[in-house]
Amino acid sequence: DTAVSQTPKYLVTQMGNDKSIKCEQNLGHDTMYWYKQDSKKFLKIMFSYNNKELIINETVPNRFSPKSPDKAHLNLHINSLELGDSAVYFCASSQENPGGRTDTQYFGPGTRLTVL
Amino acid sequence: GIQVEQSPPDLILQEGANSTLRCNFSDSVNNLQWFHQNPWGQLINLFYIPSGTKQNGRLSATTVATERYSLLYISSSQTTDSGVYFCAVDEFFPYSGGSNYKLTFGKGTLLTVNP
Repeated sequence: DTAVSQTPKYLVTQMGNDKSIKCEQNLGHDTMYWYKQDSKKFLKIMFSYNNKELIINETVPNRFSPKSPDKAHLNLHINSLELGDSAVYFCASSQENPGGRTDTQYFGPGTRLTVL
Repeated sequence: GIQVEQSPPDLILQEGANSTLRCNFSDSVNNLQWFHQNPWGQLINLFYIPSGTKQNGRLSATTVATERYSLLYISSSQTTDSGVYFCAVDEFFPYSGGSNYKLTFGKGTLLTVNP
């Protein structure tokens, strides 16, 4: 059974389009995250949700919006895609620790987004 | 924010060699994690190690929190060890609803193990 799954694995689209990436975890974790990995492999957190509450909202364009229908799912919607949005997007999840300290994070396989 | 520096940036080994990867961080942290990203892009958590030493097969890690560094040891390296190794630390941040922590990643060490 896949612990953290993402769909699609690859996404190729035109500038200006709107797209979504879905993420699901079956680990029973309370917290889910979205990370962006750029062409130089640098990983940076974008959002985190804890029990459907937005906790981390890094400085990303407001064209990016996370949506959490329940604690096992965290989807990423991107409006008006731009060339610079091309990257690999990773979903992750972890258990909640007291005081919000991070616990072991488990990553999905990533979604490679290419904007033409 | 906290700075996380990894060295070396690149490392090439022959199969069977040993290696040590280093992670320095600029402030005290509650938590440190090591990850391996394989050539297919999958990120795997290797260690959750805020302090002390842990071992898992040919890999071991040591974190000396008071001196703000962590080391990842790979012994008898294999071609399947190739990939990027990331270190990530907790960074405290306040927000309107309270306070929390987030993982801040280093830039990674690209390891290539040749047969």
